[in-house]
Amino acid sequence: GQNIDQPTEMTATEGAIVQINCTYQTSGFNGLFWYQQHAGEAPTFLSYNVLDGLEEKGRFSSFLSRSKGYSYLLLKELQMKDSASYLCAAPSGGYNKLIFGAGTRLAVHP
Amino acid sequence: GAVVSQHPSRVICKSGTSVKIECRSLDFQATTMFWYRQFPKKSLMLMATSNEGSKATYEQGVEKDKFLINHASLTLSTLTVTSAHPEDSSFYICSARVWASGTSYEQYFGPGTRLTVT
Repeated sequence: GQNIDQPTEMTATEGAIVQINCTYQTSGFNGLFWYQQHAGEAPTFLSYNVLDGLEEKGRFSSFLSRSKGYSYLLLKELQMKDSASYLCAAPSGGYNKLIFGAGTRLAVHP
Repeated sequence: GAVVSQHPSRVICKSGTSVKIECRSLDFQATTMFWYRQFPKKSLMLMATSNEGSKATYEQGVEKDKFLINHASLTLSTLTVTSAHPEDSSFYICSARVWASGTSYEQYFGPGTRLTVT
């Protein structure tokens, strides 16, 4: 089977750092994705990890541990515009179809 | 990143009519596209995998005769919601995959189509 878990909601302060965790169980492993989605818009690609370790892209970093079935998205120097849902997703099954977690709604306040 | 477009962005239709949604990969070829639907404040639910030149693969619980998918070319996939009902009102999003290397890929989403059935 496949299962992707992430917290439902988080709040953080502008300028701070926040870590959004994701645990997954999939049939086989072909990497893990993070997407950002603002309300009423389509998801936008943030990162794709297929090897263990941390990958940094500007203010956003993503970490993967395959042995633990665990990933996190790290957002630094938070800005108000970072208020959005963050979706953890993993390819699974035929065609490596992307299966999404429920998403974490992040609220950044002044 | 790669660009995926969808048309229309919003559509309102009457119950019982059919609506076609187009998904295009603008600067790359996509042999495989995916169709998702999303209810308010919920995550994306995969409906089907669209394969160029062959039949779509539907997820469990998705009626293939109601949600017709045609992937006629390497840059176009269409989703037709037939005999639409108010419960079909949702945000429909398509996605296409771009291979960065032999084993690495990225998946991009279209801007979505908001369907309202009255």
